[in-house]
This record gives sequence, C-alpha cells and structure tokens, in this order.
Amino acid sequence: EPEVTQTPSHQVTQMGQEVILRCVPISNHLYFYWYRQILGQKVEFLVSFYNNEISEKSEIFDDQFSVERPDGSNFTLKIRSTKLEDSAMYFCASSDADAANVLTFGAGSRLTVL
Amino acid sequence: QKEVEQDPGPLSVPEGAIVSLNCTYSNSAFQYFMWYRQYSRKGPELLMYTYSSGNKEDGRFTAQVDKSSKYISLFIRDSQPSDSATYLCAMSAYGNKLVFGAGTILRVKS
Repeated sequence: EPEVTQTPSHQVTQMGQEVILRCVPISNHLYFYWYRQILGQKVEFLVSFYNNEISEKSEIFDDQFSVERPDGSNFTLKIRSTKLEDSAMYFCASSDADAANVLTFGAGSRLTVL
Repeated sequence: QKEVEQDPGPLSVPEGAIVSLNCTYSNSAFQYFMWYRQYSRKGPELLMYTYSSGNKEDGRFTAQVDKSSKYISLFIRDSQPSDSATYLCAMSAYGNKLVFGAGTILRVKS
C-alpha cells in the first residue's frame, strides 16, 4: 500500500539551530501538508501546498517556517531558528485530486529542541 | 466554545463490547468528517470518511454524522485488544485543512 515517508524519525537540536524535516508524499498525490502535535495536545494544521505554492497556512506557520518541494518527490519543512516550543511531532500528509480531503499521514518526525 | 470537542477518555471496555466514540463541533461550514486511529508515537491512520450527513459502514466500523446536531460518532462492534489506540475525529469545510479533536484513548481489555 502506498505510504508517506518521513525522515528523520527523531531529531534533537539546540535552540536557535535550523532544522529540515523531509517527506516523500505518495507519488500521484498533488496536495501536501504539514501538521504538528505537541505532546499531549491536538494535531494542528500548519500549512498546505499545491501546485508549487502555499495554498493555506495557520497562524503557527510564521516567518520561522518555510516549505519547499525541491524536486518531484520530496517535500520539506524548514524551521529557521528553533525554539523550545517547537518540540513536537511533525506529520507530513498528502492527498490526491479526486479526494483532496482524504489525507494520508506519515509516521511523523519527532523534533526535540534543547 | 472549541471548534471541535472530543472527550479524551480513557475509555476502557472488555473485549467484544460495542464502543461508541463521538465529537461535537461548532462550525456549520464543516462538510467532510473523518475518523483517524493513532497508535502511540505514530501518524494518524484514516479509518472512515464521510461527506455531509448520514451513516457509513466498513466492517466492524460505522460512522454517523448528524449535521443538524453538529455531532459525529464512530461505533466499533466486537472490539478487539488490537483496537486499543487513540481515536481522532477530524473535519474540514471546503478547503483541505483538517481540524482535529483532542482524541479519545480507547483500551480494550482481553
């Protein structure tokens, strides 16, 4: 069954460092997303991406965050200068054109900021 | 009022029981309703997807949406220990942004 692949599974970084989280969405999907889940809290929407541009973003997704689709298969989330409160699970998801609301999530990347 | 409300549980049931999970919401623009299952430190896995009001059945799982009451439910028949997980309701309006509930922890005891 096709799946969304995320790397790394766990990253530990120092406050102020830049972090890049990587995702390989399902190959025929056209919509890509990042969500995050702080430990013990809800899964929260960060950003959606379609046709090589951001289609929607939440208030969490400030200037410290950016997304990129550098090639035909990868989708990345960059956090420029990490803060302690960025510690969370980050989930990538994708969906296809026929069922855009049906998201398939990856296993997540756990980010720990010290 | 929170946009999506879900009792976090935990809900503990014996094996074979019928489980009822539910969410309420406040945004009348929501049209798409999903139930995801999440195991510890894993990503959400889609279980059921419903558009607008009505019922949908898939094996042991039944999803119900009552838009007039802004209330959605997931029923699990003949629950198994492997059903033990966190169940997340999620919903969206016309865009693709999902709004999640807090998740209900379910424990099925053998």
